[in-house]
Amino acid sequence: SQKIEQNSEALNIQEGKTATLTCNYTNYSPAYLQWYRQDPGRGPVFLLLIRENEKEKRKERLKVTFDTTLKQSLFHITASQPADSATYLCALSGNMLTFGGGTRLMVKP
Amino acid sequence: DAGVIQSPRHEVTEMGQEVTLRCKPISGHDYLFWYRQTMMRGLELLIYFNNNVPIDDSGMPEDRFSAKMPNASFSTLKIQPSEPRDSAVYFCASSLRDQYSSYTFGSGTRLTVV
Repeated sequence: SQKIEQNSEALNIQEGKTATLTCNYTNYSPAYLQWYRQDPGRGPVFLLLIRENEKEKRKERLKVTFDTTLKQSLFHITASQPADSATYLCALSGNMLTFGGGTRLMVKP
Repeated sequence: DAGVIQSPRHEVTEMGQEVTLRCKPISGHDYLFWYRQTMMRGLELLIYFNNNVPIDDSGMPEDRFSAKMPNASFSTLKIQPSEPRDSAVYFCASSLRDQYSSYTFGSGTRLTVV
């Protein structure tokens, strides 16, 4: 069966460090992979989209990689700040967007 | 644009009652999606529309759930009768071009069925 796995344990890092979140998937061949941020009590907010023929995408302090051989995407936040604390969701496109369970990131000052 | 607007923000209802959730997508977005989020199951797609037409409702859990999109600016998700296990946050999202584009989510409706 199709599965999208994100680390369900919270990731705690110190301000200024690079946060790296992982998204693994099985039994998918997604054309696109997206990352969203979700704050408590709010809907997810789109951050980045990467296509299957792209290895890497950057936007300001954010970087996403997409390895279709490993079936994995990595999401990096460089120079992390307490304001980056949130839950981050990866999502794979098929007939529609299917979301992983998300990883909570806590950036401590 | 005010974004995707959902109402109500919170709904508490008794088991057996009918519940109607409402959504106004972003103007010009051709796709509308209804998702449900729980701690146990995460974000699950219930149904999506393209140009007001339901395309895939395979995620709708039971016949108690129904969704309509009478025009491009309004959609409803109805649960009748509601049950405690329907308690969740329900999100509406819209997308400009297709089901692969980025989605804009509303703030959600937190439903509690007691």
